[in-house]
Amino acid sequence: SQQGEEDPQALSIQEGENATMNCSYKTSINNLQWYRQNSGRGLVHLILIRSNEREKHSGRLRVTLDTSKKSSSLLITASRAADTASYFCATDRGAQKLVFGQGTRLTINP
Amino acid sequence: DGGITQSPKYLFRKEGQNVTLSCEQNLNHDAMYWYRQDPGQGLRLIYYSQIVNDFQKGDIAEGYSVSREKKESFPLTVTSAQKNPTAFYLCASSTNNSPLHFGNGTRLTVT
Repeated sequence: SQQGEEDPQALSIQEGENATMNCSYKTSINNLQWYRQNSGRGLVHLILIRSNEREKHSGRLRVTLDTSKKSSSLLITASRAADTASYFCATDRGAQKLVFGQGTRLTINP
Repeated sequence: DGGITQSPKYLFRKEGQNVTLSCEQNLNHDAMYWYRQDPGQGLRLIYYSQIVNDFQKGDIAEGYSVSREKKESFPLTVTSAQKNPTAFYLCASSTNNSPLHFGNGTRLTVT
């Protein structure tokens, strides 16, 4: 069954603005990962945050994790047209058996 | 360049026929995975293999079969028993519990 739920399902913003996507999950996790998928392509790993971490940065990406609320957020700062894609959170049940959320479709308008 | 190759990119079959999707990796990864993605949905795990000659069912294995005779290859067969086979199929690999590395998928249409 799908563990992750993402919010919003779709997000449309102007280039240069920040984009925030949220993910909630149901059970205890080892880590939580975020992936990006361009239309019709495979997923690309963006960032991994472990259960004992609260925040992590990678370039224009900032991920937070709140294990007490079983939630995570992905912030993309200073968005670009190339950031247009679907973004998925995934929780690891062990051995990289990931459970994916339904994703957020992000559109960056020029 | 190292990566995962899925072929073909598009596949069309008639209902009742079995079809095999290819997945090859040259990353020397031990673990390989098959996921299914339906429109507007997340990915669901079909099968996974952590070592050669061993594989395990995922969450939606019914109607699918796999083999892992070589480290580089993890083909997926969609059998006629799979009730709704039309979907986008993604293969991935991993080593030492690293994040998944995905191929670019095969879009299967069954009519």
